Amino acid sequence: GESVGLHLPTLSVQEGDNSIINCAYSNSASDYFIWYKQESGKGPQFIIDIRSNMDKRQGQRVTVLLNKTVKHLSLQIAATQPGDSAVYFCAERGAGGTSYGKLTFGQGTILTVHP
Amino acid sequence: KAGVTQTPRYLIKTRGQQVTLSCSPISGHRSVSWYQQTPGQGLQFLFEYFSETQRNKGNFPGRFSGRQFSNSRSEMNVSTLELGDSALYLCASSMQQETQYFGPGTRLLVL
Repeated sequence: GESVGLHLPTLSVQEGDNSIINCAYSNSASDYFIWYKQESGKGPQFIIDIRSNMDKRQGQRVTVLLNKTVKHLSLQIAATQPGDSAVYFCAERGAGGTSYGKLTFGQGTILTVHP
Repeated sequence: KAGVTQTPRYLIKTRGQQVTLSCSPISGHRSVSWYQQTPGQGLQFLFEYFSETQRNKGNFPGRFSGRQFSNSRSEMNVSTLELGDSALYLCASSMQQETQYFGPGTRLLVL
């Protein structure tokens, strides 16, 4: 069945370092991928998205890379700050009618940034 | 523009009771999706509504239901609550099939 899984459940970095969070997905028909950040007691917050016809997209301090050959997604955060500490989720949306409003989420990676 | 709002934020119920949760989407968004988040299962899709119609449904029992009103506000209902229904219930809104924006969630505790 469809699944999105993360390789690393936890990641600890020093303030100022670059962080890379990885995600593997299994549905080759997925056409849209999103990264969310969730802080304690809050709902997931949109970070960046990418469509399947792209392999890279950049935002402010964040970059998402998509490798459809190996079904791999990554989120790079530059100059990581303590405020980046949170759980990060990747999510995918399948193509077609069964995808209406449905995102399939990975298990999440806990990012801890040490000052 | 105001974000997605959910009420109530916290709720305590006992087994066998029923509960109704409310979600107001971002203005202009017509699609509302509901998710259940638990430590064991993560984020799981419940259902999605668009223009008052349920277009998609996840693998949850019939005790979980929802509806959407003409102003795009949505409610979800869980009947005959079980201990395992304790979770954070999240709703997300979007314009058609675009990015979903989440509300803060409703924390439900079933005793």
